[in-house]
Amino acid sequence: GENVEQHPSTLSVQEGDSAVIKCTYSDSASNYFPWYKQELGKGPQLIIDIRSNVGEKKDQRIAVTLNKTAKHFSLHITETQPEDSAVYFCAASDSSYKLIFGSGTRLLVRP
Amino acid sequence: EPEVTQTPSHQVTQMGQEVILRCVPISNHLYFYWYRQILGQKVEFLVSFYNNEISEKSEIFDDQFSVERPDGSNFTLKIRSTKLEDSAMYFCATSGQLNTEAFFGQGTRLTVV
Repeated sequence: GENVEQHPSTLSVQEGDSAVIKCTYSDSASNYFPWYKQELGKGPQLIIDIRSNVGEKKDQRIAVTLNKTAKHFSLHITETQPEDSAVYFCAASDSSYKLIFGSGTRLLVRP
Repeated sequence: EPEVTQTPSHQVTQMGQEVILRCVPISNHLYFYWYRQILGQKVEFLVSFYNNEISEKSEIFDDQFSVERPDGSNFTLKIRSTKLEDSAMYFCATSGQLNTEAFFGQGTRLTVV
């Protein structure tokens, strides 16, 4: 079955700097790659997603890139703000009825 | 903005007892899911439900677990005889179409003592 690896497990950046979180997946059939943000005591919330027919997608300060050949996808947050501090999860899906999540990255943005 | 609602927010139960976790999906959504997250660990898929039947389930979802949508509104997860290792945050999620954004509820924290 699908396996998703996520790095780093923790990331600390200065406010205004960029943050990059990387994931790899194992199943070449996966074609949908969402990123979720989870704040303390809340459920995961989708922040951006990308499908396998697209290499890059951007939404304001957030961008995601996908390399299907290498089975890598990454989340890029620019101009980080303290409110970006949270746990971020990548996930992969192969059109089946489930998401397989990475282990999460705890992002801390220092003011 | 539409949201998925879960009740209760926190449930404490004794080992061996049955628990029912409830979820009210977004009204026009057709695909329903349960995930769990053990403290500090990744979110794990349990089961998906579509057209009043289970579409897919994980190895975690054994005979102690069941799901149903009894009244066409609430979507429930039942654990028949809870074990200590069932302690986790349980998230309900729903989506309007397959392989699209899944909206997660706030979760139910289950503590088995």
